[in-house]
Amino acid sequence: DSGVTQTPKHLITATGQRVTLRCSPRSGDLSVYWYQQSLDQGLQFLIQYYNGEERAKGNILERFSAQQFPDLHSELNLSSLELGDSALYFCASSRTPENNEQFFGPGTRLTVL
Amino acid sequence: GQQVMQIPQYQHVQEGEDFTTYCNSSTTLSNIQWYKQRPGGHPVFLIQLVKSGEVKKQKRLTFQFGEAKKNSSLHITATQTTDVGTYFCSDSGYSTLTFGKGTMLLVSP
Repeated sequence: DSGVTQTPKHLITATGQRVTLRCSPRSGDLSVYWYQQSLDQGLQFLIQYYNGEERAKGNILERFSAQQFPDLHSELNLSSLELGDSALYFCASSRTPENNEQFFGPGTRLTVL
Repeated sequence: GQQVMQIPQYQHVQEGEDFTTYCNSSTTLSNIQWYKQRPGGHPVFLIQLVKSGEVKKQKRLTFQFGEAKKNSSLHITATQTTDVGTYFCSDSGYSTLTFGKGTMLLVSP
């Protein structure tokens, strides 16, 4: 158990819908990262927050957005969902923003039908 | 953009054989991190290398950072069935986090 929690574990929805994934970092970690993992694309970095502020942006689509709240939990919002958005979404956290040791959550499996 | 390539994509070994995965970048890496993901699990941090030419060992695992900081390797001596999983390398600069596609290791008893 890494100490990072993610909800829900599984999510099944239809194309065109909007979903919200939630992540709670390890106690004391200020930085949160979101990743998308699919079979053909591997682990893709989406976005990083540090203490409520966006710090780095990766291959995040405009249909996706995220935020980190004052209590440090983070949410990833995915809208206008497409079949290709089906993937495993991981959240990770670290003590510092310098991308050192990251602790990954168990992931949310999103299936878009 | 920066690319981190890992080879091989897949390797199947007999228990007791050695295994090596390589991580290559088109540009100089800030630092390199290695992660392991077991089937059905999440990535778990193994190690970070920062200095040119750095070598670190963790029991049967040996990690190396190239002199030019453009490549890295992970070597497992005498593999065990518990080593099964996908090994990822990652470059984590100030504003980038690039993961290789990973090397999947299968170990037969």
